[in-house]
Amino acid sequence: GIQVEQSPPDLILQEGANSTLRCNFSDSVNNLQWFHQNPWGQLINLFYIPSGTKQNGRLSATTVATERYSLLYISSSQTTDSGVYFCAVEFNTGGFKTIFGAGTRLFVKA
Amino acid sequence: DAGVTQSPTHLIKTRGQQVTLRCSPKSGHDTVSWYQQALGQGPQFIFQYYEEEERQRGNFPDRFSGHQFPNYSSELNVNALLLGDSALYLCASSYGLTFSGNTIYFGEGSWLTVV
Repeated sequence: GIQVEQSPPDLILQEGANSTLRCNFSDSVNNLQWFHQNPWGQLINLFYIPSGTKQNGRLSATTVATERYSLLYISSSQTTDSGVYFCAVEFNTGGFKTIFGAGTRLFVKA
Repeated sequence: DAGVTQSPTHLIKTRGQQVTLRCSPKSGHDTVSWYQQALGQGPQFIFQYYEEEERQRGNFPDRFSGHQFPNYSSELNVNALLLGDSALYLCASSYGLTFSGNTIYFGEGSWLTVV
């Protein structure tokens, strides 16, 4: 089946630093989304980005579907950015299933 | 506009018992998917309901079953609970069978502990 790999698994940043999170997937996918999970378990959608580039404030994302990867950029990180970042891909197996990566655990120090 | 709501938020069950978790999708959404998230892992797809039918299923045993009601709300049932069923159970709603052009919205989850 499709494999979704995220890197790095863990990341510690000083407040104000920039970072890049990566999501690789092993086959063609229908769609891709990035989520942030806060310490209480709530998953918040950041980007719906099957291809191309999008930006929302300090966050931006790029997906290169032909090369099977997506990147999430966090600039000028803040302590509230801490949490786990997941990419989720949707693929068609005669129906649509969504697979999540294992996540990148980010801790931003003040 | 209410988002995705789940209940209960926390519960503790004994091995062998049965549990029912509930989910109301975001207004305007007709598809509900359920995920299991063990500690330190990403969410794992359990199944998806659309038009009151199970449309897709992940690698979960038959002890996991579900239902979707005419108002699009959904239940997840787990029978013969095992210690390994302890996890955060997440409900996600969307419009249609694929999230093409749409976004998935998640509820806050139900934390299940099996003792």
